[in-house]
Amino acid sequence: QVQLVQSGAEVKKPGSSVKVSCKVSGGSFSGYSFAWVRQAPGQGLEWVGGVVTFGGSSNYAKKFQGRVTIVADKSTNTVYMELNSLRSEDTAVYYCAKDSSGWGYDSWGQGSLVTVSS
Amino acid sequence: DIQMTQSPSSVSASIGDRVSITCRASQGIGNWLAWYQQKPGEAPKLLISAASNLRHGVPSRFSGSGSGTDFTLTISSLQPEDFATYFCQQTNTFPRTFGRGTKVDI
Repeated sequence: QVQLVQSGAEVKKPGSSVKVSCKVSGGSFSGYSFAWVRQAPGQGLEWVGGVVTFGGSSNYAKKFQGRVTIVADKSTNTVYMELNSLRSEDTAVYYCAKDSSGWGYDSWGQGSLVTVSS
Repeated sequence: DIQMTQSPSSVSASIGDRVSITCRASQGIGNWLAWYQQKPGEAPKLLISAASNLRHGVPSRFSGSGSGTDFTLTISSLQPEDFATYFCQQTNTFPRTFGRGTKVDI
């Protein structure tokens, strides 16, 4: 049973950066892909991007390209998402999820609230 | 990007009702569609993979159907624990787009 445990809530100023972590336990980290999905207050789910641990390649949604970096650290079994140039619209709960290669996201972290406010 | 249009956006139902939620893709995605259930304050939970494959532990009152562009999630007899928001997601191509959700309430 794969478990994903995310870092805690963050409050950031507009224009700054945030780095959210997702510690993975159970299973074989190097064989998995992971994704980040965000949910603004009262809104739906928005795909941010994903990473394949084997090889380290990443995919990002167009609206975040140039502002987001997703990496997988095999030495610590941790996936990171860094979002730069934060604006108020980035206020959301950010979830990491294990991507079962087309079969959906079968394990999720508990979510990390990022609040962007001056 | 593939757009996922989910309907209705909300549905009011009673215990024991049959509820159907539809999801339409802007282009063909084969059967690469997932359904999730989300309750307030919780992470989404995967219910159905590849359009019609029920995940282990998900009650059999949930079912999924469809292929190509049109998909349906059906709850055959609504139970109290099923009141939640449901999302579809296409898993055919990147970006992995979601529908906007359907809230099922009393």
